[in-house]
Amino acid sequence: NAGVTQTPKFRVLKTGQSMTLLCAQDMNHEYMYWYRQDPGMGLRLIHYSVGEGTTAKGEVPDGYNVSRLKKQNFLLGLESAAPSQTSVYFCASSYPTSGMEEQYFGPGTRLTVT
Amino acid sequence: ILNVEQSPQSLHVQEGDSTNFTCSFPSSNFYALHWYRWETAKSPEALFVMTLNGDEKKKGRISATLNTKEGYSYLYIKGSQPEDSATYLCAFVIYNQGGKLIFGQGTELSVKP
Repeated sequence: NAGVTQTPKFRVLKTGQSMTLLCAQDMNHEYMYWYRQDPGMGLRLIHYSVGEGTTAKGEVPDGYNVSRLKKQNFLLGLESAAPSQTSVYFCASSYPTSGMEEQYFGPGTRLTVT
Repeated sequence: ILNVEQSPQSLHVQEGDSTNFTCSFPSSNFYALHWYRWETAKSPEALFVMTLNGDEKKKGRISATLNTKEGYSYLYIKGSQPEDSATYLCAFVIYNQGGKLIFGQGTELSVKP
């Protein structure tokens, strides 16, 4: 099993450009999450999904959109990138037990917006 | 606003030392607390999920305790080894919101040989 994978691993964008980050998991998990990690800030939840076709906002959703068209995939979109979105993005997934089960994390995507 | 605090922010110990650090979280509406270990250039990996007041969990030389009434959890590492060097994150679970986690900032542990 590959676990949780993320594409791409690195990306540099110019302000105003758009991009989509892909998260895929092969563990048949219902729940999936997108976090960003900034120095001194820990991991902050951007958006999450409790099942195919559903999404919800996390702590820092502004400037991002998500879609969960297939159970195994969770896409994070930046419509118009800003330097403040320079960060490391982590995807995670878990079984549907509302926090009683651990989350499994992907390897991260390092995004720089110039 | 839910706040999860971890202390200290960083810790430097010698190989063989035992160490511990703290995670403080809101004591009301407690549901669960997670501990993760995060090595540089890798992904966070779960150590423990703790749910009951007084709970104590152990994995090898690492153990954790939980006090939900006063809102804290301790993580202990006995006989630290260089391979224990990592950032240790705790995360508070928000009840009935799809397993949402509020993470602390982490404690960065460095173990010198």
